[in-house]
Amino acid sequence: EPEVTQTPSHQVTQMGQEVILRCVPISNHLYFYWYRQILGQKVEFLVSFYNNEISEKSEIFDDQFSVERPDGSNFTLKIRSTKLEDSAMYFCASSPVETQYFGPGTRLLVL
Amino acid sequence: QKEVEQNSGPLSVPEGAIASLNCTYSDRGSQSFFWYRQYSGKSPELIMFIYSNGDKEDGRFTAQLNKASQYVSLLIRDSQPSDSATYLCAVNTVGSGGSNYKLTFGKGTLLTVNP
Repeated sequence: EPEVTQTPSHQVTQMGQEVILRCVPISNHLYFYWYRQILGQKVEFLVSFYNNEISEKSEIFDDQFSVERPDGSNFTLKIRSTKLEDSAMYFCASSPVETQYFGPGTRLLVL
Repeated sequence: QKEVEQNSGPLSVPEGAIASLNCTYSDRGSQSFFWYRQYSGKSPELIMFIYSNGDKEDGRFTAQLNKASQYVSLLIRDSQPSDSATYLCAVNTVGSGGSNYKLTFGKGTLLTVNP
C-alpha cells in the first residue's frame, strides 16, 4: 500500500539555522500539506499546496517558512531561521481530494 | 476561530467492551469528518471518515455524524489492548478557493483498554 514518506526522522539544529524537511507524497495524490504538533498539543495546520502553489496557509506559516515541490515527487518545508519554539513534530500529508494520509513525521529539536 | 472539541480523557475500558469517543465542532459549514488514531510518538493514522448524517460502520468501528448538533462520535466494539491510543477527531474545512482543504484537529481522547 502506498505511503507518505518523510526524511529525516529526527533533526537537531541550532537556533537561527535553516532546516529543510522532506516528504514524498503518495504518487497519484494532488494535494499536499504540512502540519506540526508541539509536544502534548494538538496537530496544527501549516500550509496546503495544490497545482504547484500554496492554496492556504495558517497564521503560523510566516515568512520564515516556505514550501516547494522541486520535482515530480518531493515536497519540502524550509524553515529559514529556526527558533526554539519551532521544536515540534512536523507531519507531511497528501490527499487525492479530501482524505488526508500522513507521513511518519520529522521530529525537529531546536537548541 | 473554528474549533474542534474532544474530552481529553483518559477513557479507560475493559477488553471486549465498547469504547465511545465524542467530538463537537463549531463550523456549521464543515462537510467531512475524520477519525485518526495516534500512538505515542507516531503520526495520525486514518481510521474512518464520514460525510453524511447517520452511522457508518467499518469492522469494529462505527462513526456517527449529526450535523444539526455538530457532533461526531466513534464507537469501537470489542475493544482490544492494541486499540489503546489517542483518538483524534478532525474536521475538513474547504477554503475560499474551493480546492484547498485543511484539517482542524481536536486535542484527542486518550483511550486505554485494560486486559
